[in-house]
Amino acid sequence: GQQLNQSPQSMFIQEGEDVSMNCTSSSIFNTWLWYKQDPGEGPVLLIALYKAGELTSNGRLTAQFGITRKDSFLNISASIPSDVGIYFCAGAGGTSYGKLTFGQGTILTVHP
Amino acid sequence: DSGVTQTPKHLITATGQRVTLRCSPRSGDLSVYWYQQSLDQGLQFLIQYYNGEERAKGNILERFSAQQFPDLHSELNLSSLELGDSALYFCASSADGDYEQYFGPGTRLTVT
Repeated sequence: GQQLNQSPQSMFIQEGEDVSMNCTSSSIFNTWLWYKQDPGEGPVLLIALYKAGELTSNGRLTAQFGITRKDSFLNISASIPSDVGIYFCAGAGGTSYGKLTFGQGTILTVHP
Repeated sequence: DSGVTQTPKHLITATGQRVTLRCSPRSGDLSVYWYQQSLDQGLQFLIQYYNGEERAKGNILERFSAQQFPDLHSELNLSSLELGDSALYFCASSADGDYEQYFGPGTRLTVT
């Protein structure tokens, strides 16, 4: 079945630094989404991407839908302590109507 | 607050038992999704309902079943519980089966 490889698995950064993480798939997706999950809570939708090559921003967050439709990238600029959490990519499309396939997550720690 | 509600927040039960998890989607959303999150498997899609009808199925065990009622709330029934069923169970909803899914706070199930 479809698998998503998300990297890095974890990141330890200083407040104010920029962060990059990415997700790659063995097959094509029509939609890429990025979620953030805080401990004990459900994932929160950050950004949704619908077209290959699309670049979308949400505040300090910028995500891109890769040209090959097999990858996506998330950048966080000028990180702050509340950015701490687990970031998940998710892919959808094709025959998997409605179903999201999630990456393993990137654990982000921000040191003040 | 995503607008998706789930009850109960925590559930502790014994092996062999049966439990029911409940989800109310965001107002106006027709689709409900159930996901299981465990440390070893990550976030896994279980099943989707759209306006009362089953729309898509993931790797849902035969011991698990779900339904969506006329008022659009959904229940996930887990029976003959095993230790390995201990996990976080999330419900998500979307407007009409599209990919922007909004997650509830989850139910943490512990099977002892």
